[in-house]
Amino acid sequence: DSGVTQTPKHLITATGQRVTLRCSPRSGDLSVYWYQQSLDQGLQFLIQYYNGEERAKGNILERFSAQQFPDLHSELNLSSLELGDSALYFCASSVMGLADEQYFGPGTRLTVT
Amino acid sequence: AQSVTQPDIHITVSEGASLELRCNYSYGATPYLFWYVQSPGQGLQLLLKYFSGDTLVQGIKGFEAEFKRSQSSFNLRKPSVHWSDAAEYFCAVGVKAGGTSYGKLTFGQGTILTVHP
Repeated sequence: DSGVTQTPKHLITATGQRVTLRCSPRSGDLSVYWYQQSLDQGLQFLIQYYNGEERAKGNILERFSAQQFPDLHSELNLSSLELGDSALYFCASSVMGLADEQYFGPGTRLTVT
Repeated sequence: AQSVTQPDIHITVSEGASLELRCNYSYGATPYLFWYVQSPGQGLQLLLKYFSGDTLVQGIKGFEAEFKRSQSSFNLRKPSVHWSDAAEYFCAVGVKAGGTSYGKLTFGQGTILTVHP
């Protein structure tokens, strides 16, 4: 158990819909990262927040957005969903930055039908 | 932009045999280098990392990796594989954003390790 929790574990929704994925970091970690893992794209970094502020951005689509709240939990919002958004979405947390070990949650499997 | 190549999609070894998983990266300077392992249905776990200094780094579960600047490689090794090592292994490159401590990880496509008894 990494100490990072993600909800829900599974999510099935239709194209065009909007969903919210939630992540609670390990106690004491201030950074949260979001990743997308799919068969065709592999594991891709989406975005990082540190103590509520966006710090690094990857290939995150404009339909996707994230935020980190004062209690340090984070949410990833996916809107206007397409079939290609079906993937495993991981959240990770670390103390601060790139040099710190990232602890990964178990992931949320999103299926868009 | 940085990139990571793991040439072997799938490797099969016998239990007790030695293991080497290959990783090549493309980046102008020395990046941060990582190896992660993902067991089925699980998130990723860090095995080891390299930032600077001694080019041979030791990690958890008996793994080690060697950074070779001339070859742009960071291969993962284990002298004797156990059945519990069967998993998918990811090499990753970390590049800082500007002069900050933050940045992104770029992952390779992964290598699936199968261990035969």
